[in-house]
Amino acid sequence: GNSVTQMEGPVTLSEEAFLTINCTYTATGYPSLFWYVQYPGEGLQLLLKATKADDKGSNKGFEATYRKETTSFHLEKGSVQVSDSAVYFCALSGSGTASKLTFGTGTRLQVTL
Amino acid sequence: EPEVTQTPSHQVTQMGQEVILRCVPISNHLYFYWYRQILGQKVEFLVSFYNNEISEKSEIFDDQFSVERPDGSNFTLKIRSTKLEDSAMYFCASSAASGTGSEKLFFGSGTQLSVL
Repeated sequence: GNSVTQMEGPVTLSEEAFLTINCTYTATGYPSLFWYVQYPGEGLQLLLKATKADDKGSNKGFEATYRKETTSFHLEKGSVQVSDSAVYFCALSGSGTASKLTFGTGTRLQVTL
Repeated sequence: EPEVTQTPSHQVTQMGQEVILRCVPISNHLYFYWYRQILGQKVEFLVSFYNNEISEKSEIFDDQFSVERPDGSNFTLKIRSTKLEDSAMYFCASSAASGTGSEKLFFGSGTQLSVL
């Protein structure tokens, strides 16, 4: 079945540091890949997505590239801000099963001044 | 941006009691979902709902669980007889479309259910 593995947290960075949160997946067919973010006290929000191999999703300075050869979708940001502190979830949906997202465990990011 | 609203934010109940978790999806959305996250574990799909019926459900969603859209605006998850292992954060979500694998789901902020 489908599965998502993402790096353990928490990740603590200083402001303006470079961020990478690793995500790898196992899936049959051609899944779509997502990063969701959960800010304190809020729901999960879609951060970015990619629907096919070599696509790059980007939003708010975050980027992730769909790498089929390494089955990865690592999240990166060149310069994090305190306001980026949140929990980040990698997820996938299988072809034709759009309602059924498979999530990773989430990675908590804490950015300090 | 439109929001999915969940109530209550926290629910404490005794084992064996029935609980109803409530959600108000985004008004023009047609597809509705429940997910849950047990502390320290992954967010798990429970059920999807479209056109007043369940379209897909996971193994977790057994006979103790049911969903309903009673009045065209609310979407509820009922757990008939709660167990300790039902303690989790329950997320409601909705989307305007489904079937392509790439549509955006809008999530609520969750209901933390604690079964004592």
